[in-house]
Amino acid sequence: DAGVIQSPRHEVTEMGQEVTLRCKPISGHDYLFWYRQTMMRGLELLIYFNNNVPIDDSGMPEDRFSAKMPNASFSTLKIQPSEPRDSAVYFCASSPQGASGNTIYFGEGSWLTVV
Amino acid sequence: AQSVTQLGSHVSVSEGALVLLRCNYSSSVPPYLFWYVQYPNQGLQLLLKYTSAATLVKGINGFEAEFKKSETSFHLTKPSAHMSDAAEYFCAVSKGAAGNKLTFGGGTRVLVKP
Repeated sequence: DAGVIQSPRHEVTEMGQEVTLRCKPISGHDYLFWYRQTMMRGLELLIYFNNNVPIDDSGMPEDRFSAKMPNASFSTLKIQPSEPRDSAVYFCASSPQGASGNTIYFGEGSWLTVV
Repeated sequence: AQSVTQLGSHVSVSEGALVLLRCNYSSSVPPYLFWYVQYPNQGLQLLLKYTSAATLVKGINGFEAEFKKSETSFHLTKPSAHMSDAAEYFCAVSKGAAGNKLTFGGGTRVLVKP
């Protein structure tokens, strides 16, 4: 299995620009998560989907952030406009449906720098 | 609400020495508990998890953790550290409700000295 695939791996952008991060979950997984990792705040859950439907977006920091999952094999996290404080590593993760306690599998992350 | 506290943001051990990383949780329901490892510039990889079966859980790379309900703890240990164990380790809790979403501790960075 290819695992969770994220792109781009690294992005440097200027403040005010739109940033789109992409994720392909593991085939057959019904849950998809977006996490953000920073030195100050650690790992934070931004939003998660079940069967392509957003379930909990309470972690999305503000309206500049939006996430979509148009189908079972693709999700995007968009930041518009971007700000320097958005610089972080953004992880996408997926897990299968079924009994709770299922393992969540993480991608390698998208390293975003906003200058 | 559930939360996870990892004691010590940095731990330094000598190669061959015991590795002990502490994790305490709070949860209003019986939790599911996880340890993940993050190597430099990589994503998170599952080391082991507790899902209400045996309280002593064995994971990959020689790590194990023991669930102690009375102490609300899930400490991670490895008898003998290897240089390749240098990484950041995260304890996480899921309350098992729909969604499987994880709440992470702050992480503990392990340095292994030769």
